[in-house]
Amino acid sequence: NAGVTQTPKFQVLKTGQSMTLQCAQDMNHEYMSWYRQDPGMGLRLIHYSVGAGITDQGEVPNGYNVSRSTTEDFPLRLLSAAPSQTSVYFCASSYRNRGENIQYFGAGTRLSVL
Amino acid sequence: AQTVTQSQPEMSVQEAETVTLSCTYDTSESNYYLFWYKQPPSRQMILVIRQEAYKQQNATENRFSVNFQKAAKSFSLKISDSQLGDTAMYFCAFMRANAGGTSYGKLTFGQGTILTVHP
Repeated sequence: NAGVTQTPKFQVLKTGQSMTLQCAQDMNHEYMSWYRQDPGMGLRLIHYSVGAGITDQGEVPNGYNVSRSTTEDFPLRLLSAAPSQTSVYFCASSYRNRGENIQYFGAGTRLSVL
Repeated sequence: AQTVTQSQPEMSVQEAETVTLSCTYDTSESNYYLFWYKQPPSRQMILVIRQEAYKQQNATENRFSVNFQKAAKSFSLKISDSQLGDTAMYFCAFMRANAGGTSYGKLTFGQGTILTVHP
């Protein structure tokens, strides 16, 4: 049972480049979400999904795209990277109808945009 | 919209002593969950403790306990017998829920408190 797996762990991009941050979970969780962590601001929600084929925007969605074609995977796409997207990115997943309502986090991806 | 405020950017404590981290939140919701997450230097987000808003009893997990004051919208974390391994960033977080207790799967975080435990 791997839990929530994020790849890569580190990435350096040049301004204008595109890339996809991968997130996979093997717990059959309905909910998946992406957060970014910036110094002094805690974690902020970028996009989330309540199930395959259903996504919605969070607090800071600009510059990011998501899709969810399977229950297991929830990739985050940066179409044209900007220095303001330098951050640590976390993927999380949870059950929808369980009493615990606990989100499980991946190990994070540190992204630098030059 | 919900907001979560952690007013202590940094705290320090001696090993074996007790420390309390503060958290206040603002919401118009009546059903919700509150969490404390720990983030050590490894960056991994680790759940410390969880509180359901409809439960009046404060949650406890071994050395960790909370003081949940719903009317005051306050949710502080007490760490007893502090250990060197408790050194980390601590985040308070809020999650909405519906009347049946089902969450919406979205967390709102505070800014975090860096806790340092000294030997």
